[in-house]
Amino acid sequence: NAGVTQTPKFRILKIGQSMTLQCTQDMNHNYMYWYRQDPGMGLKLIYYSVGAGITDKGEVPNGYNVSRSTTEDFPLRLELAAPSQTSVYFCASSYARESPEAFFGQGTRLTVV
Amino acid sequence: GQQLNQSPQSMFIQEGEDVSMNCTSSSIFNTWLWYKQDPGEGPVLLIALYKAGELTSNGRLTAQFGITRKDSFLNISASIPSDVGIYFCAGRAEADSWGKFQFGAGTQVVVTP
Repeated sequence: NAGVTQTPKFRILKIGQSMTLQCTQDMNHNYMYWYRQDPGMGLKLIYYSVGAGITDKGEVPNGYNVSRSTTEDFPLRLELAAPSQTSVYFCASSYARESPEAFFGQGTRLTVV
Repeated sequence: GQQLNQSPQSMFIQEGEDVSMNCTSSSIFNTWLWYKQDPGEGPVLLIALYKAGELTSNGRLTAQFGITRKDSFLNISASIPSDVGIYFCAGRAEADSWGKFQFGAGTQVVVTP
């Protein structure tokens, strides 16, 4: 069972570069999320989506963009990478509002130098 | 900013001991979730709580939704080495939209033989 798959697992970026973190899920979940995890800080919600074509900002959206063209995919875009974006990024999905439990991917460790 | 306060930050316990941790919020929550994260992995859902006073078990784990709706507790009984990891609480405030879960900073559990 694939569940939520994130790629890449690791990436080093130079300041000012851009990249897209990929996330795909095969559980036919409507809701998808992007979080970042910093040491000792728990997870912070970046963006979330209720379904294809609909996205909304979370707690820390600045410096990121998302799109949701299909139910399965929810990529996260960094346009101008900054050292403050060094973090571990997690994508998650959940089935419905009544079942808010999210299933997480394995994470992408991003370092901006 | 983050409204959840999770404690303790870390625990060093001997195998066989019980573990208790809690989360408190500054606002009323309508959902509490408890996750465990192993190194290099994404969080995995342990227990979900939806009603004040609710007490739910998952094997040796028991969690409770506080009656004030501003706190939740997780207990692990008779700890074993595989209980090592970071435990996160997550909750959804009543005033927030469905997608906006907040996470605690985590409790690092270390089990010694």
